[in-house]
Amino acid sequence: SQQGEEDPQALSIQEGENATMNCSYKTSINNLQWYRQNSGRGLVHLILIRSNEREKHSGRLRVTLDTSKKSSSLLITASRAADTASYFCATDGTGANSKLTFGKGITLSVRP
Amino acid sequence: NAGVTQTPKFRVLKTGQSMTLLCAQDMNHEYMYWYRQDPGMGLRLIHYSVGEGTTAKGEVPDGYNVSRLKKQNFLLGLESAAPSQTSVYFCASSYSIEDLDIQYFGAGTRLSVL
Repeated sequence: SQQGEEDPQALSIQEGENATMNCSYKTSINNLQWYRQNSGRGLVHLILIRSNEREKHSGRLRVTLDTSKKSSSLLITASRAADTASYFCATDGTGANSKLTFGKGITLSVRP
Repeated sequence: NAGVTQTPKFRVLKTGQSMTLLCAQDMNHEYMYWYRQDPGMGLRLIHYSVGEGTTAKGEVPDGYNVSRLKKQNFLLGLESAAPSQTSVYFCASSYSIEDLDIQYFGAGTRLSVL
C-alpha cells in the first residue's frame, strides 16, 4: 500500500518561478525523502528530512515536514527548464521491517 | 563507479515465456530492491534483499522470483510472463546508516508482454 500522496498531480510553471509540491502520509515515519525522475531514467535522491526536523535546505531545494499534519512540502526556487521531471515523496516508517514507500509522483513542467 | 546497472534495457516477451532481469551494483550496498512502475501507480516493491543469500517479498511479489547469490547482484525472474507484467522495472540498492535508507536506482528495464 502506498503511504505518501503527492499534490498536485501535475504542475506547470514558467522558468524563474518557484514550484511547491506537497506530500501527505498516513502513519508515523522515521524520515521522509524526495526523489526526482527525469523522463526515461531512474529515480535520483534529492533530500531527506528526519521526523524530528522541521525544515531542511539543499541548494535551491527547501523541504518542510509537519508531523502533526502528516505532511511535507518541497519547494524548488528559481526553477529552470532542467527541473522538468517527476518528483516523488517516499516515507520510511517506524516499524522494524519498514521499507521505503513511494507516492505516485508529481509531474513538473518548467516552461522556458 | 557505474552505480546500479540493469540489463537488459528493453525486452519484448510473448505470454508464457520466461526471462531474468539482472541488477548489478558496485557500491558494496547490503540492501537491494526490485520495483515496478506503472502509469498512475507510482513505484511498487516486488521483492527485496537485506544481504547476500537473503530475499523477502514486497508489496506485489506474485509471478516473480528473485535470487541474491552474490552481494553485488540481484536477479528478478519471470517464470511465465503475463500481459499484466508489462511495466518498467527498476532495481535499487542502499546501505543503512543510523536507520537512514537512501536508495540508488538503475535506469530501468522496459518490458512488454504480448
